[in-house]
Amino acid sequence: GESVGLHLPTLSVQEGDNSIINCAYSNSASDYFIWYKQESGKGPQFIIDIRSNMDKRQGQRVTVLLNKTVKHLSLQIAATQPGDSAVYFCAESPNTGTASKLTFGTGTRLQVTL
Amino acid sequence: GAVVSQHPSWVICKSGTSVKIECRSLDFQATTMFWYRQFPKQSLMLMATSNEGSKATYEQGVEKDKFLINHASLTLSTLTVTSAHPEDSSFYICSAGQARGGSYEQYFGPGTRLTVT
Repeated sequence: GESVGLHLPTLSVQEGDNSIINCAYSNSASDYFIWYKQESGKGPQFIIDIRSNMDKRQGQRVTVLLNKTVKHLSLQIAATQPGDSAVYFCAESPNTGTASKLTFGTGTRLQVTL
Repeated sequence: GAVVSQHPSWVICKSGTSVKIECRSLDFQATTMFWYRQFPKQSLMLMATSNEGSKATYEQGVEKDKFLINHASLTLSTLTVTSAHPEDSSFYICSAGQARGGSYEQYFGPGTRLTVT
């Protein structure tokens, strides 16, 4: 079936450096993509989203890039801070404006070293 | 705004008993809520879609008679794990969403840690 996956299970980054977390998806019909941050023992926290008609979207210290040609999604975190340490999941949905279930990727653990 | 709560945050029960987990949207109404299960160091797996006033839609492989879902109001959905067994021990997370600016944003609850002994 369709799935969303990640290339790297663990990413170690020095404080102050930029982080890049990647995600590959296989459902070409996906219309909406979201990045979530999950800290230990907590629910996922929304970071940023992007629709399929866009290839880049920026937030505060975060940027999401979407390459539909190769079905690739990435999350860039600028000036990574210790508080950014968590597991990051990409998620995919077939629809943007309606209540649709999300398919989550396998997750990448980001470790920020001092 | 857009806060989703869960109760309890953790629960320990004996094998064979049933446990009810509540999911509430605190400051908005949600006709649809979702229930996920997450095992340690794994991703979130959708269990079912909870629809207010109608039956839940279960994902393939999820037993509807074991995981009972009731979405009685626009702010509350409950998941009851019946006849719990140790393999049901997991982190259960709900989400609720609302349409906003042409998008549908899902907000997740803090999760409920279930341990079956």
